[in-house]
Amino acid sequence: GQQLNQSPQSMFIQEGEDVSMNCTSSSIFNTWLWYKQDPGEGPVLLIALYKAGELTSNGRLTAQFGITRKDSFLNISASIPSDVGIYFCAGQPTGNQFYFGTGTSLTVIP
Amino acid sequence: EAQVTQNPRYLITVTGKKLTVTCSQNMNHEYMSWYRQDPGLGLRQIYYSMNVEVTDKGDVPEGYKVSRKEKRNFPLILESPSPNQTSLYFCASSLSSPQETQYFGPGTRLLVL
Repeated sequence: GQQLNQSPQSMFIQEGEDVSMNCTSSSIFNTWLWYKQDPGEGPVLLIALYKAGELTSNGRLTAQFGITRKDSFLNISASIPSDVGIYFCAGQPTGNQFYFGTGTSLTVIP
Repeated sequence: EAQVTQNPRYLITVTGKKLTVTCSQNMNHEYMSWYRQDPGLGLRQIYYSMNVEVTDKGDVPEGYKVSRKEKRNFPLILESPSPNQTSLYFCASSLSSPQETQYFGPGTRLLVL
């Protein structure tokens, strides 16, 4: 199946710092989405991207759909303790199957 | 309240004993999907359904079955569970496709001995 590789695998940052993470695929994707999973919960959608080059913001979060359609980036500005969790990229190449990345675990130190 | 429910939330079973994990949504969504989450592997799609009576394999369907007889329900069946199916399972639904917001259930933690 598809491999969606996320990096970094984990991050430990100070409150107030900015965060960047990315996701790459082995093939072209038509849609990129970013989800966040809080401990003990199911993932929740943060941002959806539908066009190559698209840059979308949701509060302190900004995500981009890479021009090559094989990657996507998520930035979080001025991190706060409630940003703690696992961030997953996800997307759909052709067809109806859906793929999630391996996840980036974020820890924010107050 | 709009939600996806799963039952049971926790299950310990033994190899070979058939089990069913139920999933139900009250949002009239057409698309439903099952995922398993394992450390370091993220979530992997097991099966999905575009609508009633329409189901298809995801990335890791081996050892699982599903059915979609009603729009709201999408049970996951393990006919003969094995230890490598020990995992955290999530059901999700969206309006008509996975490109839209998928709403996830609370998860079912399964241990197969």
